[in-house]
Amino acid sequence: EVQLVESGGGLVQPGRSLRLSCAASGFTFSDHYMDWVRQAPGKGLEWVGRIRKKTNSYSTEYAASVKGRFTISRDDSKTSLYLQMNSLKTEDTAVYYCSRVVSGLWYFDLWGRGTLVTVSS
Amino acid sequence: DIQMTQSPSSVSASVGDRVTISCRASQDISNSLDWYQQKSGKAPKPLIYAATSLHSGVPSKFSGSGSGTDFTLTISSLQPEDFAIYYCRQYKSYPVTFGGGTEVEIK
Repeated sequence: EVQLVESGGGLVQPGRSLRLSCAASGFTFSDHYMDWVRQAPGKGLEWVGRIRKKTNSYSTEYAASVKGRFTISRDDSKTSLYLQMNSLKTEDTAVYYCSRVVSGLWYFDLWGRGTLVTVSS
Repeated sequence: DIQMTQSPSSVSASVGDRVTISCRASQDISNSLDWYQQKSGKAPKPLIYAATSLHSGVPSKFSGSGSGTDFTLTISSLQPEDFAIYYCRQYKSYPVTFGGGTEVEIK
């Protein structure tokens, strides 16, 4: 089955770190750019960042709100995507989705169910 | 950053109605826009890409139009399963940005 499954969310104190994972299956993970998108409770969608594929040197892009604090990485051998979140703030509280980018068309055709991160003391 | 403004923020409509949602970009994005549907508690689903192309499996009652700065998502005949929040997104330049969403409610 073609799917993305996020994990690693939970309750964390402000200033601490958390690492999210996204396990991909049913497709050739290494062929795709992958993105993270988040959604604060009751709010709209916010793009977090992107990691390109090996042929693009696994380069990354980030939203200004997370740049310098969050790092996206991937392990194609494990068909997994990661989001390392450091110096967490209360405003990072959200459901975090990983999403697959359709090659050449640039839209998200596959999303995970999301994992909830709550930053609170 | 490119700002994406959706209107209305919510619309009340009846089954069978034609619904139109607008999305305006703060600068020219050509056709680098897509639309997503999100139901409560679920992940978004793709509807339209490249402003006018229908994602595989999406019913033809959904259509997209526009280019440049002004875009529209139309649902030709609203059905109960279409009540949801709809988001536009631009990918012309980084950072990628979403519109604020339009909630389609039952009248």
